[in-house]
Amino acid sequence: GAVVSQHPSWVICKSGTSVKIECRSLDFQATTMFWYRQFPKQSLMLMATSNEGSKATYEQGVEKDKFLINHASLTLSTLTVTSAHPEDSSFYICSARDTGGRTDTQYFGPGTRLTVL
Amino acid sequence: QKEVEQDPGPLSVPEGAIVSLNCTYSNSAFQYFMWYRQYSRKGPELLMYTYSSGNKEDGRFTAQVDKSSKYISLFIRDSQPSDSATYLCAMTRGKGAQKLVFGQGTRLTINP
Repeated sequence: GAVVSQHPSWVICKSGTSVKIECRSLDFQATTMFWYRQFPKQSLMLMATSNEGSKATYEQGVEKDKFLINHASLTLSTLTVTSAHPEDSSFYICSARDTGGRTDTQYFGPGTRLTVL
Repeated sequence: QKEVEQDPGPLSVPEGAIVSLNCTYSNSAFQYFMWYRQYSRKGPELLMYTYSSGNKEDGRFTAQVDKSSKYISLFIRDSQPSDSATYLCAMTRGKGAQKLVFGQGTRLTINP
């Protein structure tokens, strides 16, 4: 149980293009999903909290116009990196909050590696 | 000062050894504690979830919480090479609270 998928697992794009990453909770409904960014050998950095049917809440320093988040259903959230630049290259990981079951905690997807040329 | 401190290692031990991973925290408001395992280029996997002081055991893993000392530990018994990964502690202020606060992660290598 509590499986979260991400698609694509890796993507390479040219500078200036936009990239969409999907995060799905496969066996539970998630009213809240989270998007993280992770640089090599560093811990996860929370970018934004996504609530189904409402606007995302962004962490300080994260550009909301650059990282567009949509949480249109209880099982799907998307992160769109707009006008990507090489400095946006990173490992992006989503998580979904499972309030059912024995725990109320976050389960993570496998991550998406973005490389911007 | 970071809210959660975790020794980044790296930590290298022989197969079969008992491994001890630790985190300290400064905010007494943290009530729920988690340990995640992250393999290279993968997302974190939830290993343990605890919310009270004391020990919780699951197979070869034991999570220990000492709220009075603001200190949590993860013990791995009979360590295996497949346990080689980065281990992240995480905590949150209460059930329903949404933000996880992570430690830096400890890189662990189990040598055959």
